[in-house]
Amino acid sequence: GAGVSQSPSNKVTEKGKDVELRCDPISGHTALYWYRQSLGQGLEFLIYFQGNSAPDKSGLPSDRFSAERTGGSVSTLTIQRTQQEDSAVYLCASSLVRGLTDTQYFGPGTRLTVL
Amino acid sequence: GENVEQHPSTLSVQEGDSAVIKCTYSDSASNYFPWYKQELGKGPQLIIDIRSNVGEKKDQRIAVTLNKTAKHFSLHITETQPEDSAVYFCAAPNYGGSQGNLIFGKGTKLSVKP
Repeated sequence: GAGVSQSPSNKVTEKGKDVELRCDPISGHTALYWYRQSLGQGLEFLIYFQGNSAPDKSGLPSDRFSAERTGGSVSTLTIQRTQQEDSAVYLCASSLVRGLTDTQYFGPGTRLTVL
Repeated sequence: GENVEQHPSTLSVQEGDSAVIKCTYSDSASNYFPWYKQELGKGPQLIIDIRSNVGEKKDQRIAVTLNKTAKHFSLHITETQPEDSAVYFCAAPNYGGSQGNLIFGKGTKLSVKP
């Protein structure tokens, strides 16, 4: 079946502009995660959603970052007033349920470059 | 919360040789340890995982071992092939915190030379 998809695959923006990154999780998956991967670094957790519960935003680096998930499916990560240090690959993952041992399936990521 | 350390950061082997990547974790309550492979331009993909009720798990050329006493687990790849070249990440559950359910190591870049 279809995996996790993300769009756009690449985004180049100017410092100070807002960007929106989209994630389509695997159908039926109730948990959705956003991670950030800077060059040569591991995965930095940003935010996760579980069903209709309030999201865990504890990983968001600043109030310029926000995310929403509509109808328990598609999610959008928004970065306002982008800075050069926001340049990274943003990865989305989903899992069937938010169990501590549930496999997370990752999308291909969106490479964000802030000039 | 959980802390995961991964070594080495880079590893170069000759085709046909074995490769070993090691991770340590801090939370003794952790009971699930996945390994992800990330190829260039792609998202990480789960390749194998192990749960705390077993000490070793094999899947063809890939194996993972777990030592709960020492709180470390390792990925073993035998008979390496050029297509094994990628970045490998280990992870462990973050029971003590609220940052999602997995904490990832910083990754190991494996290069297999033909």
